[in-house]
Amino acid sequence: EAGVAQSPRYKIIEKRQSVAFWCNPISGHATLYWYQQILGQGPKLLIQFQNNGVVDDSQLPKDRFSAERLKGVDSTLKIQPAKLEDSAVYLCASSLGLGGGAYETQYFGPGTRLLVL
Amino acid sequence: TQLLEQSPQFLSIQEGENLTVYCNSSSVFSSLQWYRQEPGEGPVLLVTVVTGGEVKKLKRLTFQFGDARKDSSLHITAAQPGDTGLYLCAGLARGTGRRALTFGSGTRLQVQP
Repeated sequence: EAGVAQSPRYKIIEKRQSVAFWCNPISGHATLYWYQQILGQGPKLLIQFQNNGVVDDSQLPKDRFSAERLKGVDSTLKIQPAKLEDSAVYLCASSLGLGGGAYETQYFGPGTRLLVL
Repeated sequence: TQLLEQSPQFLSIQEGENLTVYCNSSSVFSSLQWYRQEPGEGPVLLVTVVTGGEVKKLKRLTFQFGDARKDSSLHITAAQPGDTGLYLCAGLARGTGRRALTFGSGTRLQVQP
């Protein structure tokens, strides 16, 4: 079974530029998550989709970050304009269920490492 | 905000030693998971604990959920270089309606051969 795919793996941009990340979850998984992991910290949830609807985006900086999950499958996360503090690894994860289940397993992709100069 | 604090933040030990990593919170969690993350990869689930006082074993790894479901520990016996990585605890908060995990800041373990 193929895992969660993410691209690009690395991205270097200058501040105020725009950047987009792509995620392809495991086939059939209903829930998709985007996390931000700053160096030395644990992942922080940015947004959670159930199929193509948003379940939780309370920690998404909506003035610069946006995300969509078209047709309930692939997802893109965009930052416009980027700031220095956005330098981090952006992780995508998916789970089979609707999120919130005690034994639900999230499967993570390898992440996109973003450096903002 | 439900915070999970992990200790220690860093741990460097010799092969064959034992170690314990802690995950503490003031909040009650419905369940708690432990993940291991290697450089350049995403976290991989090791175990899920749900019941207060629950103990689970995965080969040389022993996981325990506190009686009050506010804390957890991970004990590794006879550590090996392959255990090197970032260990993350993550909890599903109880009574908040949130359906997403809250992650701790992690414990970075290095096992020297």
